[in-house]
Amino acid sequence: NAGVMQNPRHLVRRRGQEARLRCSPMKGHSHVYWYRQLPEEGLKFMVYLQKENIIDESGMPKERFSAEFPKEGPSILRIQQVVRGDSAAYFCASSPNRGRLEQYFGPGTRLTVT
Amino acid sequence: DQQVKQNSPSLSVQEGRISILNCDYTNSMFDYFLWYKKYPAEGPTFLISISSIKDKNEDGRFTVFLNKSAKHLSLHIVPSQPGDSAVYFCAATSGGGGTASKLTFGTGTRLQVTL
Repeated sequence: NAGVMQNPRHLVRRRGQEARLRCSPMKGHSHVYWYRQLPEEGLKFMVYLQKENIIDESGMPKERFSAEFPKEGPSILRIQQVVRGDSAAYFCASSPNRGRLEQYFGPGTRLTVT
Repeated sequence: DQQVKQNSPSLSVQEGRISILNCDYTNSMFDYFLWYKKYPAEGPTFLISISSIKDKNEDGRFTVFLNKSAKHLSLHIVPSQPGDSAVYFCAATSGGGGTASKLTFGTGTRLQVTL
């Protein structure tokens, strides 16, 4: 059973460009979460999605950031007009349909904004 | 406002001894707690969890203790092994009723197990 997959693993963008981060949850998992880890900090929740629905986006910055989890395909975290402060590790996690609260994380995407 | 706190940024323990990692929380709505281990350049790996209706959960070398009145939990690793050297994150959620919810993480404790 493949784990949570994220790509790319490393992404370099110049200021003002767009970054697209992809996440495929574990097989059988329908809940997807995105977290961000800034250097020397813990993981901070960004957004929680189920298929075609945003359930909780209380951790998402109000501008430039968006997320989706379409009926088909991976979940996408999109950052428009990136700035240096967006440089971080972005982790995706997934959890089973119901009853289990553990979240299983992917290897992360390390975004560097130059 | 840091709702989950790990006040020890680092801990060094000799191989074979017990490692005790501590975590405090402030939000009374949290009712499910998890520990994750993280190696550099990898995602966090789930270790063990505990519901607020329990005060102890054990899985092999890992035991988590929960003291609700003190809003404190700890992870015990016995015996510690060099492969346990990693950053350990405490996390909490209010999804204890089986409803999926976001995790709130502490800032982590770096454990080094020495030979």
